[in-house]
Amino acid sequence: EVQLVESGGGLVQPGGSLKLHCAASGFTFSDSALHWVRQASGKGLEWVGRIRSKSNNYATAYGAPVKGRFTISRDDSKNTAYLQMNTLKTEDTAVYYCARSPTDTALLTTWGQGTLVTVSS
Amino acid sequence: QSVLTQPPSVSGAPGQRVTMSCTGSSSNIGAGYDVHWYQQLPGTAPKLLIYGDNIRPSGVPDRFSASKSGTSASLAISGLQADDEADYYCQSHDNSLGGSVFGGGTKLTAL
Repeated sequence: EVQLVESGGGLVQPGGSLKLHCAASGFTFSDSALHWVRQASGKGLEWVGRIRSKSNNYATAYGAPVKGRFTISRDDSKNTAYLQMNTLKTEDTAVYYCARSPTDTALLTTWGQGTLVTVSS
Repeated sequence: QSVLTQPPSVSGAPGQRVTMSCTGSSSNIGAGYDVHWYQQLPGTAPKLLIYGDNIRPSGVPDRFSASKSGTSASLAISGLQADDEADYYCQSHDNSLGGSVFGGGTKLTAL
């Protein structure tokens, strides 16, 4: 079964940092791009960014609201992707989903269950 | 404000056909990028519903269909059922932003 499981969410103060994990199973992780998408409570989906596969040089791209503050990485030996979030703001409060793109496009075929990040003092 | 524009809500009686739109621009849908649709049931993660403009993944009923023309796309649901109540999101790539973009979502209510 293709599965993604996020972890690492929690409560953090404004200006703080947090690192989310996305553990994958059931597919060839190294061949897929991984995306992060977030959703504030009662709001719509917002694309955070993505990391491509090794064959595409692990290229990353980010949405404007997080560019320069968030970094996506991956460890193919551990079938895990990461989202390092720095200089967090209250408006970063959301459920964060990781999602798989087997075609290395915008298409997201599998989503995790999400992990909640709350930025508050 | 989302890059792709969707109506906030649509509704229909059970058994009816409903449609919802997704309007973009020349840098995303109009540039020929694929449009994908996701269904998010209450309290759950989004699930892929339609990909590549109009292709249903295995397991998605043929009551769900989609199309694209110019800078817009649309999703249609026929034979509306109560458990179709969910939020529906369109998504595409935007070449001026250099990444993926979502619509603001449409909440479907079965009356």
